[in-house]
Amino acid sequence: DAKTTQPNSMESNEEEPVHLPCNHSTISGTDYIHWYRQLPSQGPEYVIHGLTSNVNNRMASLAIAEDRKSSTLILHRATLRDAAVYYCILNFGNEKLTFGTGTRLTIIP
Amino acid sequence: DTEVTQTPKHLVMGMTNKKSLKCEQHMGHRAMYWYKQKAKKPPELMFVYSYEKLSINESVPSRFSPECPNSSLLNLHLHALQPEDSALYLCASSHPLQGSEQYFGPGTRLTVT
Repeated sequence: DAKTTQPNSMESNEEEPVHLPCNHSTISGTDYIHWYRQLPSQGPEYVIHGLTSNVNNRMASLAIAEDRKSSTLILHRATLRDAAVYYCILNFGNEKLTFGTGTRLTIIP
Repeated sequence: DTEVTQTPKHLVMGMTNKKSLKCEQHMGHRAMYWYKQKAKKPPELMFVYSYEKLSINESVPSRFSPECPNSSLLNLHLHALQPEDSALYLCASSHPLQGSEQYFGPGTRLTVT
């Protein structure tokens, strides 16, 4: 499985944008980039995914580097409810998701 | 309805017991999953069912036995578990299409005594 690298933890101030980086230098052409988050005491929650182009949805934006070796999840205006572990996962077109250790995001009021 | 439900929320069982975990979804998804999550660790895939057939078994011990009786239901039968099997067991579902997002349930917190 292609591997992702994320910072162990990040902090951000409430109501400010958050940029969560992910490196995936061994990504292949058919790998989708998925982001999930897991709030305390809950199951993981789908955030966004993309293949080559930048993607936006109601929760976040995903910026994918031109060479696809890295991506950034952007939360446009962080709230306290965004405090969670964020997982960047490469999915090579089948049903299997392999979670890495993720980034623990702390939001400072 | 984008909800995956899991029962029970909590389960305590002895090493000689037999119990089952249940998962249900009504989103029309034809792929369903079991994950195991130990404390402070990421979820680990155990099994995948696609169109009610087992498609992936991540070398899970036979004391865990999955079952998919229909397209909405997924069970995990537990027998002769060990204390190290104590964990959060998560169910998920998705369309069986390339790159589809998975929807997770809240999990069953299992304690083996």
